[in-house]
Amino acid sequence: KQEVTQIPAALSVPEGENLVLNCSFTDSAIYNLQWFRQDPGKGLTSLLLIQSSQREQTSGRLNASLDKSSGRSTLYIAASQPGDSATYLCAVAGGTSYGKLTFGQGTILTVHP
Amino acid sequence: EAQVTQNPRYLITVTGKKLTVTCSQNMNHEYMSWYRQDPGLGLRQIYYSMNVEVTDKGDVPEGYKVSRKEKRNFPLILESPSPNQTSLYFCASSLVVPGIGNQPQHFGDGTRLSIL
Repeated sequence: KQEVTQIPAALSVPEGENLVLNCSFTDSAIYNLQWFRQDPGKGLTSLLLIQSSQREQTSGRLNASLDKSSGRSTLYIAASQPGDSATYLCAVAGGTSYGKLTFGQGTILTVHP
Repeated sequence: EAQVTQNPRYLITVTGKKLTVTCSQNMNHEYMSWYRQDPGLGLRQIYYSMNVEVTDKGDVPEGYKVSRKEKRNFPLILESPSPNQTSLYFCASSLVVPGIGNQPQHFGDGTRLSIL
């Protein structure tokens, strides 16, 4: 059974710092991995999707990498801003998780001015 | 605007009183899914649907029913709600099943259910 773990569970940084969120998964036979953002009282917003054949994806200040063989992904946020404060979730599709996304428990990010 | 719409957003009800949470998407997506989110347990899939009249159980289907009579709608039914179904529920949709191609999942804003 696929399991997804995110480290750290919470992170507090000053504005302007670059930061890395980590995601690991136990079954490397995935089709893709997605990073989501969840704001309080809101649903999930897809940030980046990496196919299993890709190594990384970039969108603005966000860069996600994928090392499928080692079961790891990182989300890099450059020049963090208070508006980046949210919970970040990673989710994998495929392998033993066919038909669904398997989510990690998320990293709560606080960026203070 | 492309969106997934859930109703109601909040509901407080009592044990045993049947309720339905509606979910509708306007993107002509084939795949729809229901998740519940609980502290310490994260998001867990309840049911999913690959297309009209095709539904299947997720990880935690006990106590729930779904139907997919139309492509755009995927209601979640609690026939006899119990307090352990108090949770935050999310409906999601995507063009095809997750993992096929590069189609992201779109989520509704959530429904917070409290069963007393």
